[in-house]
Amino acid sequence: QKEVEQNSGPLSVPEGAIASLNCTYSDRGSQSFFWYRQYSGKSPELIMSIYSNGDKEDGRFTAQLNKASQYVSLLIRDSQPSDSATYLCAVKGSGYSTLTFGKGTMLLVSP
Amino acid sequence: GAVVSQHPSRVICKSGTSVKIECRSLDFQATTMFWYRQFPKQSLMLMATSNEGSKATYEQGVEKDKFLINHASLTLSTLTVTSAHPEDSSFYICRVDEQFFGPGTRLTVL
Repeated sequence: QKEVEQNSGPLSVPEGAIASLNCTYSDRGSQSFFWYRQYSGKSPELIMSIYSNGDKEDGRFTAQLNKASQYVSLLIRDSQPSDSATYLCAVKGSGYSTLTFGKGTMLLVSP
Repeated sequence: GAVVSQHPSRVICKSGTSVKIECRSLDFQATTMFWYRQFPKQSLMLMATSNEGSKATYEQGVEKDKFLINHASLTLSTLTVTSAHPEDSSFYICRVDEQFFGPGTRLTVL
């Protein structure tokens, strides 16, 4: 059973701070890793994908992957109240395999 | 613009009726689409994988006779909730590829 674990939160950070969201996965053969943001009442939207060890930066977002530790994280710099949402981590194995989602971490950014 | 559309976005129906939800891939052909259900404040739950030209693959515990999936073309998959009951009230979301979720359909069964 492939598992993706996330702390449900809520993670509360003040505006302007760095928010750090973490995710661990059980399948060592996983190849692709994704972070989605889901606002309340809306469907998820992809914000980052990462495939190799290290950091990947896109604007205020940085995804970090450590395959040896089976750990992927998302850093949000200069957090804004509009970043308040649930962040979903998703992991995909090699070849044709389904995407396994974590339960999500709720982030609350206070003004 | 939107890559995946869903119709309707919101539907209210009486108990016992059937409801059809459409998922369309607007920009590319999709041999596979995925259907999820999400209850309030709960996580996404994969219901089934829709395969163009063949039968859908259902997750354990999802009744295939209740949730009928048809993937008639490379751009359209439909989910029909048959004989809907209040406990079927939920947010139904389709996904195409890793990147693209549809906007979702909120079903309320009275």
